[in-house]
Amino acid sequence: QQPVQSPQAVILREGEDAVINCSSSKALYSVHWYRQKHGEAPVFLMILLKGGEQKGHEKISASFNEKKQQSSLYLTASQLSYSGTYFCGTEWGGSNYKLTFGKGTLLTVNP
Amino acid sequence: NAGVTQTPKFQVLKTGQSMTLQCAQDMNHEYMSWYRQDPGMGLRLIHYSVGAGITDQGEVPNGYNVSRSTTEDFPLRLLSAAPSQTSVYFCASSYSFKGNNYGYTFGSGTRLTVV
Repeated sequence: QQPVQSPQAVILREGEDAVINCSSSKALYSVHWYRQKHGEAPVFLMILLKGGEQKGHEKISASFNEKKQQSSLYLTASQLSYSGTYFCGTEWGGSNYKLTFGKGTLLTVNP
Repeated sequence: NAGVTQTPKFQVLKTGQSMTLQCAQDMNHEYMSWYRQDPGMGLRLIHYSVGAGITDQGEVPNGYNVSRSTTEDFPLRLLSAAPSQTSVYFCASSYSFKGNNYGYTFGSGTRLTVV
């Protein structure tokens, strides 16, 4: 079962913030976040393991709420280079090797 | 260090033809996977492998076969191509440490059209 991402699309002006959510109907072992630019391969951003930790990568951070079976990606002070489609990938308990992706969130950052 | 290499980058097949998409990685990763990406569907797992000699099915395995005779290579075979297999195919690899799986590295993709 694919995790559910929201929103499907978001448009920002440079410098604005955004939050992308990812939720699962199954207990999660870990959550991955990837960004894909048009015509390119997905690129790994970060992974969050169960335990509720928050991770960061420059101005992009994420949280993982194990009890709610959801993760959120936070993009602060967005830059033009942040444009792309963001995917969350989830691994369920007992399926450590099977990464299942959501349908993606298209983020557009305008000047 | 090339990462994950996929060949070919583009391919056009006729319905009923067979072919093999190649994937090789030079990072000594034990996990390798094949995904297909269709508009609005995200990335869907076709087959995956947790090590040489070990493969298993993902979400959409029908019409595809895989094998993994070495750590480096994980080819995907289309047995009898159908128009529904028109898609972009990505190969990815990853590693584990202390029982946890880490980020996947993706190849550049193969754009396949079946006519």
